[in-house]
Amino acid sequence: DIQMTQSPSTLSASVGDRVTITCRASQTISSWLAWYQHKPGKAPKLLIYKASSLESGVPSRFSGSGSGTEFTLTISSLQPDDFALYYCQQYNSYPWTFGQGTKVDIK
Amino acid sequence: QVQLVQSGAEVKEPGASVKVSCKASGYTFTGFYIHWVRQAPGQGPEWMGIINPSIGITTYAQKFQGRVTMTRDTSTSTVFMELSSLRSDDTAVYYCARTLGSGGFGSHCDYWGRGTLVTVSS
Repeated sequence: DIQMTQSPSTLSASVGDRVTITCRASQTISSWLAWYQHKPGKAPKLLIYKASSLESGVPSRFSGSGSGTEFTLTISSLQPDDFALYYCQQYNSYPWTFGQGTKVDIK
Repeated sequence: QVQLVQSGAEVKEPGASVKVSCKASGYTFTGFYIHWVRQAPGQGPEWMGIINPSIGITTYAQKFQGRVTMTRDTSTSTVFMELSSLRSDDTAVYYCARTLGSGGFGSHCDYWGRGTLVTVSS
């Protein structure tokens, strides 16, 4: 199975900060990586697919980059609605696997 | 609009089975795959498997082989996930999610259900 290592596990930041989350795959996954935002009691929300493609309707402050084994999610200017959990997920090969998550909370 | 509406929370005893449903609306049911993902308390999400609602073909994660069954009812646009021989470590929120593809292109989960809490306890 492909292991997805996400860091940091927790990130404390303020509104307006630039935030970066990293995801590393244990073997190459090309660009088949997605990023999701998840808030308690709600459905996970797709932010980024194919490593760097912004899902329709997602604010442009979210961006993704990387390929192969190293990927990043960047929030250019953190907004109050962005405090949540974030997960990366590879869909290169079965079983699909997720990172352990990054909790972005208020500093 | 696209919706995946899941059935309500369940409490089961160890050794029992649970069947969770995911009713799709707002799109052509047979045009998208449905995946099941679970998340246990304090853990990352875990992919369980995929079903092609058009022809009913499934692929399961090896971890769940022999214990999980995914089916669909095209007349009601509903997908079902049944997990048997439940153990306490099966306590988790179970999600269904939709993809256009089954791997690579178009295989990101663009819509998710809100989850079904399954608690396994004696």
